[in-house]
Amino acid sequence: GAVVSQHPSWVICKSGTSVKIECRSLDFQATTMFWYRQFPKQSLMLMATSNEGSKATYEQGVEKDKFLINHASLTLSTLTVTSAHPEDSSFYICSARGAGEETQYFGPGTRLLVL
Amino acid sequence: GQQLNQSPQSMFIQEGEDVSMNCTSSSIFNTWLWYKQDPGEGPVLLIALYKAGELTSNGRLTAQFGITRKDSFLNISASIPSDVGIYFCAGQETSGSRLTFGEGTQLTVNP
Repeated sequence: GAVVSQHPSWVICKSGTSVKIECRSLDFQATTMFWYRQFPKQSLMLMATSNEGSKATYEQGVEKDKFLINHASLTLSTLTVTSAHPEDSSFYICSARGAGEETQYFGPGTRLLVL
Repeated sequence: GQQLNQSPQSMFIQEGEDVSMNCTSSSIFNTWLWYKQDPGEGPVLLIALYKAGELTSNGRLTAQFGITRKDSFLNISASIPSDVGIYFCAGQETSGSRLTFGEGTQLTVNP
C-alpha cells in the first residue's frame, strides 16, 4: 500500500512553455502533498506544501506565480512550471501524506529538461 | 533555517563490509528518517525513528535516534551490490511538520 505515482516520468520542453506534472496517491487519501526539487548530486529541497482544498504554502525563494500548485482532490496534486527556462531543469519529486499520518510517501520523480 | 550535516559524502567499500553513516543537526528533532534513493527514482523510506535512544532494525539495516535528539546513525551490515545508491537522513521537528533532508551519502559497493 501507500503508492504515489507521478506523470510524466520525464519531459523535454522548449524555453517559454509551461509544463504540468501530476502527483497521485493511488491507494490512500492524501490530505497533504509536498513538492520537492532536486538538482544533480544535491539533496531534496522542499518547494511547497499543499493541503487539499486550500492554497499551497511556498518555501522562501520559491516563486508561487512560476510554480503553480493545485491540490483539488484527495488523490491528485499538480505542479505547473510556467514559462519554463533552462535553469528550471531539474528532478521534481512529490510526496503525499494521509490524514493523521506521520509518514510521507514519495513519488518516483519527474525529470524536466528545458531547452 | 535548520541544517542537517550528513557524513560521509561518499563511501567506496567492498562487498561484505559493514557501513556506517550519520547525521547531526543544529536543532532538536522529534523524528528521524532514513531514505535510499536509486538513480532517477524517488526516495524510499528505510527506517523511521520516533523516540530518543530508539534503535531499530530493518533486515541488514540498523538505525538509532541519538539521545540528544540532534543526531542519528545508519548502519548497513554485510553490504551487497544492490545497496548501491544515495542514502539520505531526514528530520522532522514536530508531528506533521516539514522534513529537512541531509546532503546524502553516495554508497558504492564493489563486488
